[in-house]
Amino acid sequence: SQQGEEDPQALSIQEGENATMNCSYKTSINNLQWYRQNSGRGLVHLILIRSNEREKHSGRLRVTLDTSKKSSSLLITASRAADTASYFCATDARGAQKLVFGQGTRLTINP
Amino acid sequence: DVKVTQSSRYLVKRTGEKVFLECVQDMDHENMFWYRQDPGLGLRLIYFSYDVKMKEKGDIPEGYSVSREKKERFSLILESASTNQTSMYLCASSPKLGGANIQYFGAGTRLSVL
Repeated sequence: SQQGEEDPQALSIQEGENATMNCSYKTSINNLQWYRQNSGRGLVHLILIRSNEREKHSGRLRVTLDTSKKSSSLLITASRAADTASYFCATDARGAQKLVFGQGTRLTINP
Repeated sequence: DVKVTQSSRYLVKRTGEKVFLECVQDMDHENMFWYRQDPGLGLRLIYFSYDVKMKEKGDIPEGYSVSREKKERFSLILESASTNQTSMYLCASSPKLGGANIQYFGAGTRLSVL
């Protein structure tokens, strides 16, 4: 069963603009992760935020987590053409060894 | 760097054939996973294994089986391939629970069943 729901399903912006993607989930989590998938390839881990954290940064990535609303957002600043990809959130319930992935947001950066 | 290798990038099989998808990881990870990915449905977990010879059903195990005889290798088996198993198959591995539970993915196998 898919726990994560992502919004929007697709996003198209101009190079240099910021891109924001949202993820909602249903149950208590241990942590939340974001992954990127380039077309036809496997997923690559981007960033992890723990349930007791509210915000985390990594380079041009900023992730926020609101456990009261069961939601997270991924912000990519100063987007580049190379950021064109699908982005997935993934959660693991407490004590679980598996992740549950959202359906992803397809991001297109126009030059 | 962790490397997860899937034996084939593209595979074409006929209905009724037995199909083996192989996955090897080189980081001594305890956990290994098989997903399928379909447009509009995201990633769905088929099976996972948290130790040699151990396996657990995921969300959509029907029509599939798995084998984990060695720690580094996790095989997905389609006993009798059907057209509705045409999909992208992704293998992943992760270290034992207690870490950050980050999964490392292979490049994927795009399987077409005709």
